Amino acid sequence: RKEVEQDPGPFNVPEGATVAFNCTYSNSASQSFFWYRQDCRKEPKLLMSVYSSGNEDGRFTAQLNRASQYISLLIRDSKLSDSATYLCAVLRYGGATNKLIFGTGTLLAVQP
Amino acid sequence: DAGVIQSPRHEVTEMGQEVTLRCKPISGHDYLFWYRQTMMRGLELLIYFNNNVPIDDSGMPEDRFSAKMPNASFSTLKIQPSEPRDSAVYFCASSFSLLAEYQETQYFGPGTRLLVL
Repeated sequence: RKEVEQDPGPFNVPEGATVAFNCTYSNSASQSFFWYRQDCRKEPKLLMSVYSSGNEDGRFTAQLNRASQYISLLIRDSKLSDSATYLCAVLRYGGATNKLIFGTGTLLAVQP
Repeated sequence: DAGVIQSPRHEVTEMGQEVTLRCKPISGHDYLFWYRQTMMRGLELLIYFNNNVPIDDSGMPEDRFSAKMPNASFSTLKIQPSEPRDSAVYFCASSFSLLAEYQETQYFGPGTRLLVL
């Protein structure tokens, strides 16, 4: 089982739709979680960090469920420009060797 | 700031040739990371440095891969000899810290697309 798993998609949604992605992680000791966005043929860029209480940034909402070991990303009123691959990342603690472990990404295609 | 700089942006080579990828991190960042991204395996951490010292190279696939960081502003990832299965996008990233509260400052370079024929 991979340490961080995502549904690869693609998620094809119409403009204005609400779409949600989940990401599961296997290491219960993980403490920090992130969502990155990666456009086609570009580098990943941090979209938002995920805090225990959940957090919102405009149309984007991230939530953490520690009991079930998953994080989610909700996008409301989706735009064509939201089309991208969304990567979740989990910080694995190892003392001096902390590592960011990425999922393989979920592809979102917003249709006009 | 120019961000993380990588070169070359594209590399096509033949199996058995040596490949050298280069990275210049953001000035002032103490951590430098090399990642490899493929469709099958996603984004994988190969190695990272702290203050020019390799900290964790457990992700380096085999002895054909080596990485160096001779100074704070330059790092190389070398593959010798290269094989077709090494074809991937190689990203370099840098960050100020590895503490959780600073993790959001990990910035990626544009990547090097490597194709080994």
